[in-house]
Amino acid sequence: QKEVEQNSGPLSVPEGAIASLNCTYSDRGSQSFFWYRQYSGKSPELIMSIYSNGDKEDGRFTAQLNKASQYVSLLIRDSQPSDSATYLCAVFSSGSARQLTFGSGTQLTVLP
Amino acid sequence: DGGITQSPKYLFRKEGQNVTLSCEQNLNHDAMYWYRQDPGQGLRLIYYSQIVNDFQKGDIAEGYSVSREKKESFPLTVTSAQKNPTAFYLCASSIALGPQETQYFGPGTRLLVL
Repeated sequence: QKEVEQNSGPLSVPEGAIASLNCTYSDRGSQSFFWYRQYSGKSPELIMSIYSNGDKEDGRFTAQLNKASQYVSLLIRDSQPSDSATYLCAVFSSGSARQLTFGSGTQLTVLP
Repeated sequence: DGGITQSPKYLFRKEGQNVTLSCEQNLNHDAMYWYRQDPGQGLRLIYYSQIVNDFQKGDIAEGYSVSREKKESFPLTVTSAQKNPTAFYLCASSIALGPQETQYFGPGTRLLVL
């Protein structure tokens, strides 16, 4: 069973702070990693994708990947109340079951 | 206006009834997917299709059926065999099935049982 684990939260940070969201995965052969943001009652939207070890920055968002530790994280700098949402980590599995496996999500609240 | 549309937004099912959820995309994507989301949980894959007239079961295909007669369309039928169908159903598409292909989601259909 390929698993993707996230802390469910809720995670609360004050406006302007850095929010750190974490994700671990069990399949060592996983090739690609995605962070989606989901507002309450809405569908997920892609925030970041990362395929190789290290950091990838896009505006206020930074994704970090460590394949040796099977760990991927998302940092949100200068957090805004509009960042309040559930963040889903998704991992593309290798082998016969070539599919995206989602974690259960971390609920983030940014306090004004 | 390119994107993925799902209809209806809300759907009510009576016991023993089959219902069909619509998913259409005009992104010219080859791959399409159906996911189910239960409250406080991540998405679970029901079915996916890489090309027209071909589809594969995901992790929770029992009680569901799909067809892919056109590239643009991938309807999902929730059959009476699905005993716990209440959930948020999400359709997604990507250019192809592959590790670096981003999946884009439609707005979802919320299915409720009467």
